[in-house]
Amino acid sequence: EDKVVQSPLSLVVHEGDTVTLNCSYEVTNFRSLLWYKQEKKAPTFLFMLTSSGIEKKSGRLSSILDKKELFSILNITATQTGDSAVYLCAVPAAGNKLTFGGGTRVLVKP
Amino acid sequence: DGGITQSPKYLFRKEGQNVTLSCEQNLNHDAMYWYRQDPGQGLRLIYYSQIVNDFQKGDIAEGYSVSREKKESFPLTVTSAQKNPTAFYLCASSLGTGNIQEQYFGPGTRLTVT
Repeated sequence: EDKVVQSPLSLVVHEGDTVTLNCSYEVTNFRSLLWYKQEKKAPTFLFMLTSSGIEKKSGRLSSILDKKELFSILNITATQTGDSAVYLCAVPAAGNKLTFGGGTRVLVKP
Repeated sequence: DGGITQSPKYLFRKEGQNVTLSCEQNLNHDAMYWYRQDPGQGLRLIYYSQIVNDFQKGDIAEGYSVSREKKESFPLTVTSAQKNPTAFYLCASSLGTGNIQEQYFGPGTRLTVT
């Protein structure tokens, strides 16, 4: 059975801090790992990672995958209050159905 | 404007009643999905459909039913057999399932059953 575990469960930081979120996985036939940001309702897509060691970057967010150790990291630098959200990690199984981790709730205080 | 719509946003039902949640997309996506999210938890897959007139059970299909008569529409019925139906329900779609594709999510329906 595919498994995705995220840590920490939640964290509170102040604006300007850097945040590192972890996602570890155990899946058969790994193809990719996806990160989503969920503020109030619909998760919005952030990154899709398929290759080890290649950093994907979008503004202050970046992510990297380690296929040997079976984990991914999502970094947020110079955090802002608008970064407050639940960050979800997911891995596709057969049929592109996603197995999600439990999410990490990030609260950025002014 | 392309996207996924779900209605209604909030739904209240009495125990024992079936209820149908709507999901429509105009992205011309082949695949559609239903997820359930409980407070403080990730998403769990209920049903998914890769093509019209075909659908498969996800991880927690018991007490739910779906249909896929049109490409744009994938309604979910929460039946009275579902023991804990109160949750946030999210619909998603993707271009297809043959390749790796990110899924696009609708705004969700929050169902409360009392």
